Amino acid sequence: AQKVTQAQTEISVVEKEDVTLDCVYETRDTTYYLFWYKQPPSGELVFLIRRNSFDEQNEISGRYSWNFQKSTSSFNFTITASQVVDSAVYFCALSEASNAGNMLTFGGGTRLMVKP
Amino acid sequence: DGGITQSPKYLFRKEGQNVTLSCEQNLNHDAMYWYRQDPGQGLRLIYYSQIVNDFQKGDIAEGYSVSREKKESFPLTVTSAQKNPTAFYLCASSIVAGNNEQFFGPGTRLTVL
Repeated sequence: AQKVTQAQTEISVVEKEDVTLDCVYETRDTTYYLFWYKQPPSGELVFLIRRNSFDEQNEISGRYSWNFQKSTSSFNFTITASQVVDSAVYFCALSEASNAGNMLTFGGGTRLMVKP
Repeated sequence: DGGITQSPKYLFRKEGQNVTLSCEQNLNHDAMYWYRQDPGQGLRLIYYSQIVNDFQKGDIAEGYSVSREKKESFPLTVTSAQKNPTAFYLCASSIVAGNNEQFFGPGTRLTVL
């Protein structure tokens, strides 16, 4: 069965620090998709990235970057030069290609607090 | 603007009452989902639907019911059989094929008094 683990329940940093959020997954499928979502205090989940299991290239989008390593079943998320507006709960999620319903399995989330 | 709307934003219910949470999308997505989020926890799937007039149970369907009479709408009823219904409920939609990302609504916070 698939599983997503976000071991860091809460992280606190000072503005402008870099911070990495860890995500470890388990799946028996060879084809799968990984996602990161941001949940600000308003509650709505905001999609950040989708990555398939055949694409191990790291991705950078502004201050955000993602490191996908199949060898360690990890898909970590780094925020460079963090800002107060980055404060939110971040979720990592997994979807297996064999899953016809496109269902997502979520990790427990990491609450990031960026202090001024 | 395309998106997902949920209403109401806050809902209070007395024990023993059924309540229905609304979810509407204008993204022309075939698939829709309902999740429950408890404080400090991740999202758990309640029900999902890939096509009109069809839906499937998720991991925690007991005490909940849904309908999918229109492509745009996927209401969730929290019945009196749900023992601990106080939670944050999120609705989502997506394209069915290709394990694409799900788009989420703003959520409904249900409190049982």
